[in-house]
Amino acid sequence: DAGVTQSPTHLIKTRGQHVTLRCSPISGHKSVSWYQQVLGQGPQFIFQYYEKEERGRGNFPDRFSARQFPNYSSELNVNALLLGDSALYLCASSTSRNSAYDGYTFGSGTRLTVV
Amino acid sequence: AQKITQTQPGMFVQEKEAVTLDCTYDTSDPSYGLFWYKQPSSGEMIFLIYQGSYDQQNATEGRYSLNFQKARKSANLVISASQLGDSAMYFCAMREFNTGNQFYFGTGTSLTVIP
Repeated sequence: DAGVTQSPTHLIKTRGQHVTLRCSPISGHKSVSWYQQVLGQGPQFIFQYYEKEERGRGNFPDRFSARQFPNYSSELNVNALLLGDSALYLCASSTSRNSAYDGYTFGSGTRLTVV
Repeated sequence: AQKITQTQPGMFVQEKEAVTLDCTYDTSDPSYGLFWYKQPSSGEMIFLIYQGSYDQQNATEGRYSLNFQKARKSANLVISASQLGDSAMYFCAMREFNTGNQFYFGTGTSLTVIP
C-alpha cells in the first residue's frame, strides 16, 4: 500500500517568491495535517483539513494557506517567502478528524530552502 | 509553557544495551495521548509507541516500551537491545482529546548506537 506521498522532495526558492507543496494521503484517509520542522526543532502544527474543510490552524501568519481537494489530497501554499521559512514540511494523514488516540502517518516531507 | 520537554539533545548507547530517552509533558486535559516517533535522516516520522492517559499498564511494542509515570507527567521511552539501525532522532509528542487536531512535539533526542 502506498504511504503518504509528498512532492517535491526538495526545492530551492528565492525570498519573496511563492511556493506550493503537495500531499497525497493514504487511501481512505480523509484528514490531512501540515507541520513545519525547522532544523534542530520538533515539528510545529500549521493546518489540519478534514473533509475539505479547515479544522485547525497553528500560529502561522496569513502567508501560509492550504486546501484539500475532493480526492483528499492537499496543497500547502506559502507566499512572500522569508529566509525563516526554510524547513522540512511534513504532511500527515489520518482516518479521523479529532481523536486523542489516532496516530497519524507522516510522509517523508519536502525540504524547502529559501535563499 | 512547553507542552513537551525533552532534555537530552544527544545520547550514546552501546550496541545490544538498553537506553532510556526522557520526556515530560504538561497538560490540564485529563484525556490525552502520548506518542514516540523516530525520525531517520530521510525525514519521515515513524510511529513507535502510544500511551493513553487512562491506560493502566505501560505500553510495549517489541523492543520499545514506554515508562509512563502520570503523577510525574513523564513518558520515557526505553529501547532494549539497541541496534545500529536505531541511530536517529527521537521525538516525544502529545495530543489532547479536547483539541485533538494537532500534535505537540518536543525538540527531540539524537540517539547514536555505537558498535
